[in-house]
Amino acid sequence: AQKVTQAQTEISVVEKEDVTLDCVYETRDTTYYLFWYKQPPSGELVFLIRRNSFDEQNEISGRYSWNFQKSTSSFNFTITASQVVDSAVYFCALSEGGTSGSRLTFGEGTQLTVNP
Amino acid sequence: DAGVIQSPRHEVTEMGQEVTLRCKPISGHNSLFWYRQTMMRGLELLIYFNNNVPIDDSGMPEDRFSAKMPNASFSTLKIQPSEPRDSAVYFCASSSREYGYEQYFGPGTRLTVT
Repeated sequence: AQKVTQAQTEISVVEKEDVTLDCVYETRDTTYYLFWYKQPPSGELVFLIRRNSFDEQNEISGRYSWNFQKSTSSFNFTITASQVVDSAVYFCALSEGGTSGSRLTFGEGTQLTVNP
Repeated sequence: DAGVIQSPRHEVTEMGQEVTLRCKPISGHNSLFWYRQTMMRGLELLIYFNNNVPIDDSGMPEDRFSAKMPNASFSTLKIQPSEPRDSAVYFCASSSREYGYEQYFGPGTRLTVT
């Protein structure tokens, strides 16, 4: 069975600080996809990134960066120079099988609060 | 594209009533998912369809819940009869292999059963 663990329930930082959100996953599949979603206070779920299990290259998109390490089954998310607008719940998710019609298993989410 | 469309956005109903939630996936997406979000259980998959065919409904809580996808552009999730414990936010999402597997979510329907 697949499982995603986000050990940090809540994180509070001051604006401009860097913050890393941890994600650890469990799966028996060799082919899988990992995702991060953002849920701002308005409630919608916003897709941020997808990585497949064969691509361990780290990725940077503006202030966001992701560190995927298969050896530790982790897919951590770092926000550099955080801003108040980054305040949201962030979910890490796992999809097995490598197909579009695969279920997402979500972690419990990390509530990030960025204070001015 | 308008994104995934869900209706209604909010629904308040009395215990025992039938509730129907609606979803229009992104055009061209061939997979559709229904999720439920609660404080206690987080985000959980209820059912998903590939090419309008239900693939996995193991997350459907019980027989009171049913879902249909009569065509590629429409799906419903029905609860009959509704109970207070069904109160949650219900999300619909769609995806497609051609567009990279990621699931795009609708705005959700906030259901309150009194």
